[in-house]
Amino acid sequence: KQEVTQIPAALSVPEGENLVLNCSFTDSAIYNLQWFRQDPGKGLTSLLLIQSSQREQTSGRLNASLDKSSGRSTLYIAASQPGDSATYLCAVRDRRSNDYKLSFGAGTTVTVRA
Amino acid sequence: ETGVTQTPRHLVMGMTNKKSLKCEQHLGHNAMYWYKQSAKKPLELMFVYSLEERVENNSVPSRFSPECPNSSHLFLHLHTLQPEDSALYLCASSQSGGASDTQYFGPGTRLTVL
Repeated sequence: KQEVTQIPAALSVPEGENLVLNCSFTDSAIYNLQWFRQDPGKGLTSLLLIQSSQREQTSGRLNASLDKSSGRSTLYIAASQPGDSATYLCAVRDRRSNDYKLSFGAGTTVTVRA
Repeated sequence: ETGVTQTPRHLVMGMTNKKSLKCEQHLGHNAMYWYKQSAKKPLELMFVYSLEERVENNSVPSRFSPECPNSSHLFLHLHTLQPEDSALYLCASSQSGGASDTQYFGPGTRLTVL
């Protein structure tokens, strides 16, 4: 059974500092990995999706890397802003399970202080 | 209305009540999902429907009963719930349910069982 872990559970940084969020997964036979953002009391917004054949994906200030062999992904957010405060979730789609299932981590809650 | 909507946004119910959660997607997708998000725990997939047929049921107790009358609407009928069922219930949709799909989430229903 795929287990997804996100460390740290919470992170507080001053505005302008770069953010580094970690995600690890136990079964490297994944189809893809996705990073989501969740604002308090709201649903999830997809940020980046990395296919298993890719090493990284970039969107604006966000960069996500994937090291499938070691079971790790890292989300980098450059020059953080107070608006980046949210919970960031990592999810993997396994090759061993059916097409529909995403396995989620518990998330990292980020606070960017002005 | 655009995207995925959920009603009600908040619900408080007693253990003997019967209530229903509603989800509607305006994206023309063919797959819909129910997730449960408990405090500090990863999202748990509950049910998946593809083309209005249930294709996944993750061993969810029978006190949760899903209904998908068409590809745009998804319901979760609740009866005789327990306090530990208190959580954020998220609905999502995707194009086909396939492995390369991105899932789009609604804002969730915050359920409190007294």
